[in-house]
Amino acid sequence: QVQLVESGGGVVQPGRSLRLSCAASGFTFSSYAMHWVRQAPGKGLEWVAVVWGDGSDENYADSVKGRFTISRDNSRNTLYLQMNRLRAEDTAVYYCARDRVTVAVHCFDYWGQGTQVTVSS
Amino acid sequence: DIRMTQSPPSLSASVGARVTITCQASQDISNFLNWYQQKPGKAPKLLICDASNLETGVPSRFSGSGSGTDFTFTISSLRPEDVATYYCQQYDNLPVTFGQGTRLEIK
Repeated sequence: QVQLVESGGGVVQPGRSLRLSCAASGFTFSSYAMHWVRQAPGKGLEWVAVVWGDGSDENYADSVKGRFTISRDNSRNTLYLQMNRLRAEDTAVYYCARDRVTVAVHCFDYWGQGTQVTVSS
Repeated sequence: DIRMTQSPPSLSASVGARVTITCQASQDISNFLNWYQQKPGKAPKLLICDASNLETGVPSRFSGSGSGTDFTFTISSLRPEDVATYYCQQYDNLPVTFGQGTRLEIK
């Protein structure tokens, strides 16, 4: 069965870095685009970034562009989010989500359980 | 960016009632719209893809319709387990954008 398990969250000071991971299993990882979506406390869903299944391209929300980098290691079935220059407004639960297609955006059909990131001094 | 406007922001209805949520896009997105359900403390779950295609295993009381800029999500007969927040999402253009959510409660 499809499983997505995030890790790497925690409490970090403003300006510091953090790397999130999402371990995938139960499907051919390289055949699917993957996303990061976040949810600030008490707020709605905010899309963060996408990487195509073959890793050939990625795209970002303006709010994280230039600070966050999405990547994947298809040999390890793992998705990453490198978060640099963190701000208080980056505090959220971060979800990884699988898309239904390889090199486009369609439907997010499986989601991980989320990992909490708190940016605070 | 495409703005998605959901209404109402919250809704309280009786068990067995018909519930309707609307989502309006700021520009034509064809049928490139999905609906998700998020129960408290849980990850979102895909219910409807491409505006009207019900995901496998999702009860038939859920349905979606619409195209262009105006979309509707309906629960034909509300059940207690449907308490959740519902989100629409467009994928016509990047960035992907979500509606602000509709919190559904039982009256």
